[in-house]
Amino acid sequence: ETGVTQSPTHLIKTRGQQVTLRCSSQSGHNTVSWYQQALGQGPQFIFQYYREEENGRGNFPPRFSGLQFPNYSSELNVNALELDDSALYLCASSPYRTSNDNEQFFGPGTRLTVL
Amino acid sequence: QKEVEQDPGPLSVPEGAIVSLNCTYSNSAFQYFMWYRQYSRKGPELLMYTYSSGNKEDGRFTAQVDKSSKYISLFIRDSQPSDSATYLCAISHGGSYIPTFGRGTSLIVHP
Repeated sequence: ETGVTQSPTHLIKTRGQQVTLRCSSQSGHNTVSWYQQALGQGPQFIFQYYREEENGRGNFPPRFSGLQFPNYSSELNVNALELDDSALYLCASSPYRTSNDNEQFFGPGTRLTVL
Repeated sequence: QKEVEQDPGPLSVPEGAIVSLNCTYSNSAFQYFMWYRQYSRKGPELLMYTYSSGNKEDGRFTAQVDKSSKYISLFIRDSQPSDSATYLCAISHGGSYIPTFGRGTSLIVHP
């Protein structure tokens, strides 16, 4: 059973550019959540996808958008990059949409640097 | 005031020490309490999960919740250098698994 994988590992972009980050969920998991973790901070929830539909969103502007595909892999897109978008972006998958006894499995993250 | 407060440390202890990590929270609606461990350059992994006041033990780890004080703790007994990591508390409301994380406490266990 493979875990959650994310690509790329590192990425450097300039302000104003657009970026796409990718996540492959753990086998059998149909829910994917994305988090932003700034240096020295805890992860902040961006949004969650369940069966290709957005299912909850945190306090992030519309330039943060996502997709989930039929195989439950997911993308996070960020337009008009700002310096404050520099962070570790984490993807987490889980087998159910919302369940409080439901563990989320995190990937290793993509480190985005915006210059 | 942040919803979840956690001292960032670093907390440095000798091998074998008992470690106490703590978080406070402001919203009494929070019902589910979790502790994650995050090694450098890795994603967080769930260590402990509880939804009630009291203690929950798993090996060398004990999670404690005091809902009346809005205070949660993680104790690590016989700490090892391999326990060196950032420990994140996470709390969620009932009905949704989406957690609110603390900023994490960096723990260093030196031989």
